[in-house]
Amino acid sequence: KQEVTQIPAALSVPEGENLVLNCSFTDSAIYNLQWFRQDPGKGLTSLLLIQSSQREQTSGRLNASLDKSSGRSTLYIAASQPGDSATYLCAVHPAGFQKLVFGTGTRLLVSP
Amino acid sequence: NAGVTQTPKFRVLKTGQSMTLLCAQDMNHEYMYWYRQDPGMGLRLIHYSVGEGTTAKGEVPDGYNVSRLKKQNFLLGLESAAPSQTSVYFCASTDGQVRNQPQHFGDGTRLSIL
Repeated sequence: KQEVTQIPAALSVPEGENLVLNCSFTDSAIYNLQWFRQDPGKGLTSLLLIQSSQREQTSGRLNASLDKSSGRSTLYIAASQPGDSATYLCAVHPAGFQKLVFGTGTRLLVSP
Repeated sequence: NAGVTQTPKFRVLKTGQSMTLLCAQDMNHEYMYWYRQDPGMGLRLIHYSVGEGTTAKGEVPDGYNVSRLKKQNFLLGLESAAPSQTSVYFCASTDGQVRNQPQHFGDGTRLSIL
């Protein structure tokens, strides 16, 4: 059974710091891994999707990497801003299944 | 472009009451999903649909029913609500014709069962 773990559960940093969020999964048979952002009281917004054949994806200040063999992904946020404060969720799409398996998220607070 | 719209946004029910949550998407997506989000447990898939007229069970389907009579709509029903169904419910959709497309989520329905 695929399981997804995100560490740390919460993170507080001052504005301007570079930071890394971690995601690990137990089964490497996946189609892709996705990173989402969730603001309080809102739905999930897709940030980056990394296909199983890819190593990384970049969007603006965000960079996500995927090491399928070790079951790990990282989300790197450069020059963090207060507007980055949110919960970040990692999800994998297991091969052969029509679903995403989610981690429980990392709650990020960036202080001015 | 509205994307994925869920109604209602909030609802309080008494144990044993029934209700239907509506999800509508305007992106012509084939695949639609219903998740529930509970503290400390992440999102879990309740039911999903791979096209009009189709439905399938997810991880936690008990106590719920779904219907996909029109491509753009996916309904989630609670026939006899229980306190354990207190949760935030999210609908999502994706273009199933092309793999590796992200899922698009609605803003959620916050449901409390007393």
